[in-house]
Amino acid sequence: DAGITQSPRYKITETGRQVTLMCHQTWSHSYMFWYRQDLGHGLRLIYYSAAADITDKGEVPDGYVVSRSKTENFPLTLESATRSQTSVYFCASSDSTGLAGANEQYFGPGTRLTVT
Amino acid sequence: AQSVTQPDIHITVSEGASLELRCNYSYGATPYLFWYVQSPGQGLQLLLKYFSGDTLVQGIKGFEAEFKRSQSSFNLRKPSVHWSDAAEYFCASYNNNDMRFGAGTRLTVKP
Repeated sequence: DAGITQSPRYKITETGRQVTLMCHQTWSHSYMFWYRQDLGHGLRLIYYSAAADITDKGEVPDGYVVSRSKTENFPLTLESATRSQTSVYFCASSDSTGLAGANEQYFGPGTRLTVT
Repeated sequence: AQSVTQPDIHITVSEGASLELRCNYSYGATPYLFWYVQSPGQGLQLLLKYFSGDTLVQGIKGFEAEFKRSQSSFNLRKPSVHWSDAAEYFCASYNNNDMRFGAGTRLTVKP
């Protein structure tokens, strides 16, 4: 049971390049989330998705694009990477039973992205 | 917008001592509240959550938290800390698809 996986785990890219971070979950959870983690800020929500083909902005969406063509995948794309996007990125998922979106979120192991 | 404050960036306690990590939330109504733990190099794991009802909630690993509406607080406690509890702890609040995390409290456990 793989759960939730992220790839790559580490990535170094140059300013201005496009980079895509992948997230895959095997639970068929409806909700998926992307966060970035920076010192002093905790985790901040970038985008979330309530179901396939439904996405919405979180707290810090600028410079990022997401898609959700399949329930199990939720890729995050940095269209033109900037140094300020150097961070650790976490993907999470949760099911939609009960209080939709407020259930426990299961986190992936994270992707450490460095933009030079 | 809602926000979560964890006043203590870093706390050190001796193994076997009690622990309290502070969390304050800013939101008009009662949000849904969570405590997560993050071990080094890992993702976050849920310790406990509060939605409604009994204001004292029990979680995994011997943790508990108490919701106090009058103080807008949701402090995490453990009566006796183990060395394996050393980690980063995050308080979070959820409302209308918006999850907000505090900046985290790093716990160091002395032998």
